[in-house]
Amino acid sequence: DGGITQSPKYLFRKEGQNVTLSCEQNLNHDAMYWYRQDPGQGLRLIYYSQIVNDFQKGDIAEGYSVSREKKESFPLTVTSAQKNPTAFYLCASNGQATKNIQYFGAGTRLSVL
Amino acid sequence: QKEVEQDPGPLSVPEGAIVSLNCTYSNSAFQYFMWYRQYSRKGPELLMYTYSSGNKEDGRFTAQVDKSSKYISLFIRDSQPSDSATYLCATPNRDDKIIFGKGTRLHILP
Repeated sequence: DGGITQSPKYLFRKEGQNVTLSCEQNLNHDAMYWYRQDPGQGLRLIYYSQIVNDFQKGDIAEGYSVSREKKESFPLTVTSAQKNPTAFYLCASNGQATKNIQYFGAGTRLSVL
Repeated sequence: QKEVEQDPGPLSVPEGAIVSLNCTYSNSAFQYFMWYRQYSRKGPELLMYTYSSGNKEDGRFTAQVDKSSKYISLFIRDSQPSDSATYLCATPNRDDKIIFGKGTRLHILP
């Protein structure tokens, strides 16, 4: 089955710790995105990548980092510089033929211990 | 003015009722509009995709775009408890980034 896989489903972070959220897709999509979702805030774009080895900051990139070494993978690291990391994180992707439609993974819920 | 605005609800309706969910947008150049459904603790899934003005129907769901008033709607007929979810409208802006509404929480009461 084609789709986007995010792992883990739940993640806990200690103070001062970096954590990495995984996002893998087998849709052969070029573009991948990371969003943060907070209650009442909607989806806010953290980072996006339209091609391997290239990525751009979104609206709330501070405290986060990404890499895009493979087309299928776009991991997000939440660094210790992100002071309010508790949120639901969503990864999405889209292909050239359907660039207006983003497909989402099931999300990772990050909480601070 | 935000690019896409959506009433967060919650909206509670009895089973079998017709549901109307709405968004407004600010830029008359927007042409593509999407509705996503998001169940609790899940990722959004694409429900409807429309281009320009008019109606698009898919089963119990109808998406409507009124470009003159910059208003988009999603109608759900014969609503079911399984329709209880958050519904997000979305549109790509001129930078090809997708702008999402904040979502409307819908509860269908059995």
